[in-house]
Amino acid sequence: DAGVTQSPTHLIKTRGQQVTLRCSPKSGHDTVSWYQQALGQGPQFIFQYYEEEERQRGNFPDRFSGHQFPNYSSELNVNALLLGDSALYLCASSLTHEQFFGPGTRLTVL
Amino acid sequence: SQKIEQNSEALNIQEGKTATLTCNYTNYSPAYLQWYRQDPGRGPVFLLLIRENEKEKRKERLKVTFDTTLKQSLFHITASQPADSATYLCALPPTDSWGKFQFGAGTQVVVTP
Repeated sequence: DAGVTQSPTHLIKTRGQQVTLRCSPKSGHDTVSWYQQALGQGPQFIFQYYEEEERQRGNFPDRFSGHQFPNYSSELNVNALLLGDSALYLCASSLTHEQFFGPGTRLTVL
Repeated sequence: SQKIEQNSEALNIQEGKTATLTCNYTNYSPAYLQWYRQDPGRGPVFLLLIRENEKEKRKERLKVTFDTTLKQSLFHITASQPADSATYLCALPPTDSWGKFQFGAGTQVVVTP
């Protein structure tokens, strides 16, 4: 079992651009959550997907959107990038209470 | 809204000693609380879950307590080793049945030989 995988590992974008991050959940997991983690902070919940629908959303603007595919993999899209969007973006999959995190995508916005 | 606090100062400890980390929360009565370990540049790794009706939970050299009256959880690493050096995060579950886990900022532990 490969566990949760994310791509790309690192990404550099400029302000105003758009970015798509990808996540493949752990085998058998149907729920995917996305988190943003700024340096020195804990992960902040962005949203969660279950059965291809957004089930819960944190306090993030509409520039952050997502998608879940029938195979449970997921994408996070961020439009009109701001400098403050620079962070580690984490994907977590779960079946019950325990969340399994991927290695994250480090996004740098210049 | 609920608030979760962890000691932001790094905990420096000598190998073999016990490290004790604190997680305090307000405006919430969680059914359980979780602890995760995070190494630099990596995703968090689940360590332990303790339920509201459990006073204490152990896993190898790790021990977690949960005081719902004080709204506090303590995380202990006994006989600490340099390999235990990492940031430890506590997390509260969603207020509804799914979704929004809330994480503390984490406490960095540095174990020196």
